[in-house]
Amino acid sequence: QSALTQPASVSGSPGQSITISCTGTSSDVGSYNLVSWYQQHPGKAPKLIIYEVTKRPSGVSNGFSGSKSGNTASLTISGLQAEDEADYYCCAYAGSTIPWVFGGGTKLTVL
Amino acid sequence: QVHLQESGPGLVKPSETLSLTCTVSSGSITNYYWNWVRQPPGKGLEWIGYIHSSGYTNYNPSLKSRVTISADTSKKQFSMNLSSVTAADTAVYYCARDGHDLGEYWFDPWGQGTLVTVSS
Repeated sequence: QSALTQPASVSGSPGQSITISCTGTSSDVGSYNLVSWYQQHPGKAPKLIIYEVTKRPSGVSNGFSGSKSGNTASLTISGLQAEDEADYYCCAYAGSTIPWVFGGGTKLTVL
Repeated sequence: QVHLQESGPGLVKPSETLSLTCTVSSGSITNYYWNWVRQPPGKGLEWIGYIHSSGYTNYNPSLKSRVTISADTSKKQFSMNLSSVTAADTAVYYCARDGHDLGEYWFDPWGQGTLVTVSS
């Protein structure tokens, strides 16, 4: 099971929007609407920000949104703020045999 | 609010066994999957494996020959042993819950993580 493919880095200015892609295969991202996204600040544990492709947990800013097309999921952050600067990881459910696969992570820099 | 806390040695010698425990405070461990995920310094997340509250386990094939996950439900703890470690096993190790039997296909909550260094 290969890791999902994410860009190594993205950047944007405060107030702008950015999108992070997460490309898998027809066995993981493409098979299920079960992609989740995690935000990780330095030295901290990952935090769930999107689940089931598009849903936000309670307490997560509505500036975060998710989508999926075919084998690629995407995370969009609108109205960038300084505190959004972090690493972002996608994760997909891939079935009962090897259930979980993560992306390699994307470092977001707020300029 | 469920809280997870990892514990174990921060330094392990090459070829020895890395042993960590995750303690679950508040809430039930029943019907959930309890996972271990690791992150080498400066790198991404890797799923290691899980144990279900029923005792069923599943492991990443890349680590399957070296990893064992067990649980002590009476103590609300689950543990991971990784044998024959090398420097490549140096990482922050996290425990995390998923509830995919309940339709919860995500990891939440996570423990704070514990850094394990493999070095002589």
